[in-house]
Amino acid sequence: DTEVTQTPKHLVMGMTNKKSLKCEQHMGHRAMYWYKQKAKKPPELMFVYSYEKLSINESVPSRFSPECPNSSLLNLHLHALQPEDSALYLCASSLTSGSYNEQFFGPGTRLTVL
Amino acid sequence: AQSVAQPEDQVNVAEGNPLTVKCTYSVSGNPYLFWYVQYPNRGLQFLLKYITGDNLVKGSYGFEAEFNKSQTSFHLKKPSALVSDSALYFCAVRDYGYSTLTFGKGTMLLVSP
Repeated sequence: DTEVTQTPKHLVMGMTNKKSLKCEQHMGHRAMYWYKQKAKKPPELMFVYSYEKLSINESVPSRFSPECPNSSLLNLHLHALQPEDSALYLCASSLTSGSYNEQFFGPGTRLTVL
Repeated sequence: AQSVAQPEDQVNVAEGNPLTVKCTYSVSGNPYLFWYVQYPNRGLQFLLKYITGDNLVKGSYGFEAEFNKSQTSFHLKKPSALVSDSALYFCAVRDYGYSTLTFGKGTMLLVSP
């Protein structure tokens, strides 16, 4: 299995809702990432997990809460989001967080906040 | 600090012609360089990377890239473009020991029939 899967594909939520995004990989990768991407812009790093521990938080607002239950799964819990949080949320994984390892991206979750 | 520049917002090429998408970088140490492609409403797909060694790197779908240390460039090339190559291309760099990947702004490649 050489892919990263993300669910759901699309999500519409109100500003008071709580929802979660899910990401899964079965490539034995020990680093996993969350990115946010606006249309026609490069991805912006949000969080990095290395060996199931949060290693980087790029000053992301607390309304985004990541979780790594095991080495194959990564969740992003969403609460009280703002309309400007509407974007494509991409999950990625790499063998380790070493600089030379390419990242493999999932197809993304298209989030719309009303 | 690390940075990467993609000087062209858009590159237009006719099918069958060679294509080049430009990328220059800035790092303080040794660079690790990557190219990704993104089709509409999809995630990023890894094309190729330069770590060390041969300056000409071959990747997926017939793409290749040439690492030029003196010009700090890593241009993406393909000898014969296909309409299906039309997509958004991102160059990315990671300095040795640096924990995050820095992406360029992206270049839209449009291949006309």
